[in-house]
Amino acid sequence: NAGVTQTPKFQVLKTGQSMTLQCAQDMNHEYMSWYRQDPGMGLRLIHYSVGAGITDQGEVPNGYNVSRSTTEDFPLRLLSAAPSQTSVYFCASRPTGYSNQPQHFGDGTRLSIL
Amino acid sequence: GENVEQHPSTLSVQEGDSAVIKCTYSDSASNYFPWYKQELGKRPQLIIDIRSNVGEKKDQRIAVTLNKTAKHFSLHITETQPEDSAVYFCAATPPGFQKLVFGTGTRLLVSP
Repeated sequence: NAGVTQTPKFQVLKTGQSMTLQCAQDMNHEYMSWYRQDPGMGLRLIHYSVGAGITDQGEVPNGYNVSRSTTEDFPLRLLSAAPSQTSVYFCASRPTGYSNQPQHFGDGTRLSIL
Repeated sequence: GENVEQHPSTLSVQEGDSAVIKCTYSDSASNYFPWYKQELGKRPQLIIDIRSNVGEKKDQRIAVTLNKTAKHFSLHITETQPEDSAVYFCAATPPGFQKLVFGTGTRLLVSP
């Protein structure tokens, strides 16, 4: 049981490039989410999904796209990378759509945009 | 929407002392309040959580208290140890609201 798996662990991009951060969970969780973590700002929600085929925006969605074609996978796409998107990205999941359940985080992807 | 404020931003204690971190929230309907510990370069890990139907919860050296009237909740760590050094995040979410809102974190340093 691997939990929440994120790939890659580190990535350096040039401004304007696109890429996809991968997130997979093997716990059959309905709810999955993406956060970015910047120094002094805690964790901010980018996008979330309450089940396959359903996604919604979080607090800071601009510049990012998501899709949820399966229960297991929830990729995050950067359309045209900007230096302001340099951050640590965490994927998380929880058992149901109800918000009062604990979330399980992946190890994170450290992304630098030059 | 929900807003969570966390204080202090940094906290230094001596080993064996107690540490208290406080958070306030804005939405009186919020009913779930988890606390996460994040060690340097690692993922946030849930250490304790509390739901609005209880006022206090304990797990060994860690406790969380909730004051719904004042809309604040606190993390208490007793008999601190150097391995407690980390960044601690509080969070809150209203019922049915699919977004967990985090505080900005408290860096706890426990000196031997």
